[in-house]
Amino acid sequence: AQSVTQLDSHVSVSEGTPVLLRCNYSSSYSPSLFWYVQHPNKGLQLLLKYTSAATLVKGINGFEAEFKKSETSFHLTKPSAHMSDAAEYFCVVSDYYNQGGKLIFGQGTELSVKP
Amino acid sequence: AAGVIQSPRHLIKEKRETATLKCYPIPRHDTVYWYQQGPGQDPQFLISFYEKMQSDKGSIPDRFSAQQFSDYHSELNMSSLELGDSALYFCASSLEGTSLSGELFFGEGSRLTVL
Repeated sequence: AQSVTQLDSHVSVSEGTPVLLRCNYSSSYSPSLFWYVQHPNKGLQLLLKYTSAATLVKGINGFEAEFKKSETSFHLTKPSAHMSDAAEYFCVVSDYYNQGGKLIFGQGTELSVKP
Repeated sequence: AAGVIQSPRHLIKEKRETATLKCYPIPRHDTVYWYQQGPGQDPQFLISFYEKMQSDKGSIPDRFSAQQFSDYHSELNMSSLELGDSALYFCASSLEGTSLSGELFFGEGSRLTVL
């Protein structure tokens, strides 16, 4: 079965410092992986996606993630945090051949950004 | 660009009442998904429809039912509401031919509060 584990429930950084949100996945087939962001009382917005093309994926707002099959990881990074990055981040896996387009969400990581 | 539209955005009901949530997918999208996100929880898959037929079923209670109509909009009907049904309900849509990549487009959600 496919699953996603986000290793940190809460991450706090200072504005201007790097961001690292960790995610490990489990999938029996070649997965598609995503990072979604959810601001308070808002919907889910796609940050970036990996679909078996380039392993380093660039997304919106300066975020990027690297797919590492050997480590079954898909960590999200950003070189310099901004106050507006404070939100909940979800690592998500989809395995079309086993579960259609259904997405399986990780538990979420709350990112706090201090001035 | 048109996005996924959900209505109502907020809904307050009493226990044992019924509620109906509506979802209007992105034009030409033929697949609709429903997710439930409880307070502080990650989104949980409820049910999905492709071309007006149920395509997959997740952790949807028997008290809930859903359908997709000929214009591809979907409705989630919830009866005998319980306090634990209080949550943010997301609808997402995709186009079947592109769902191989697993990318779903989410609405902003309908927040149901059961008193």
